[in-house]
Amino acid sequence: QKEVEQNSGPLSVPEGAIASLNCTYSDRGSQSFFWYRQYSGKSPELIMSIYSNGDKEDGRFTAQLNKASQYVSLLIRDSQPSDSATYLCAVNPLGAGSYQLTFGKGTKLSVIP
Amino acid sequence: KAGVTQTPRYLIKTRGQQVTLSCSPISGHRSVSWYQQTPGQGLQFLFEYFSETQRNKGNFPGRFSGRQFSNSRSEMNVSTLELGDSALYLCASSLVREQFFGPGTRLTVL
Repeated sequence: QKEVEQNSGPLSVPEGAIASLNCTYSDRGSQSFFWYRQYSGKSPELIMSIYSNGDKEDGRFTAQLNKASQYVSLLIRDSQPSDSATYLCAVNPLGAGSYQLTFGKGTKLSVIP
Repeated sequence: KAGVTQTPRYLIKTRGQQVTLSCSPISGHRSVSWYQQTPGQGLQFLFEYFSETQRNKGNFPGRFSGRQFSNSRSEMNVSTLELGDSALYLCASSLVREQFFGPGTRLTVL
């Protein structure tokens, strides 16, 4: 059973702080990793993808991947109330040529003004 | 560039009926995946189509089926609806590795 685990939260951070979201996965052969943001009542929106070990930065978002530890994280710098949402970690366990994603249950983030 | 579109957006059915949901991917995307989202189980993979062929299928009963047309549009069908099929059904399209979701179809089974 390929699993993706996330803390369900809620994670509360004050406005302007760094929010740190974590995810672990069970399938060591996984190649592609994604973070989605989902506002209540809306569909998931892709915010970051990462495929190799290390950090990847995009604006206020940084994704970190450690394949040896089977760990993916998302850092949100200068958190804003508009960042309040559920963040979903997704893993493609089947590699290239397949777009099947396994999702974690999500971490609910609340940014307090 | 237009995003993924799904129709209908909302649907109410009764137990035992069947339903067909439609998805139009982003122009140029040939892969379409379907997911079911419920509060208890989260997002679960249903199936994926690429160039009219089903490449992968999730762990759902045979009542759930799908197909893809030559223009990459996809449909999924659920027969003999059960109360537990009430969920948000999401379609995602891909060009390479990243998947982009449509707005979803909210299905309520009474």
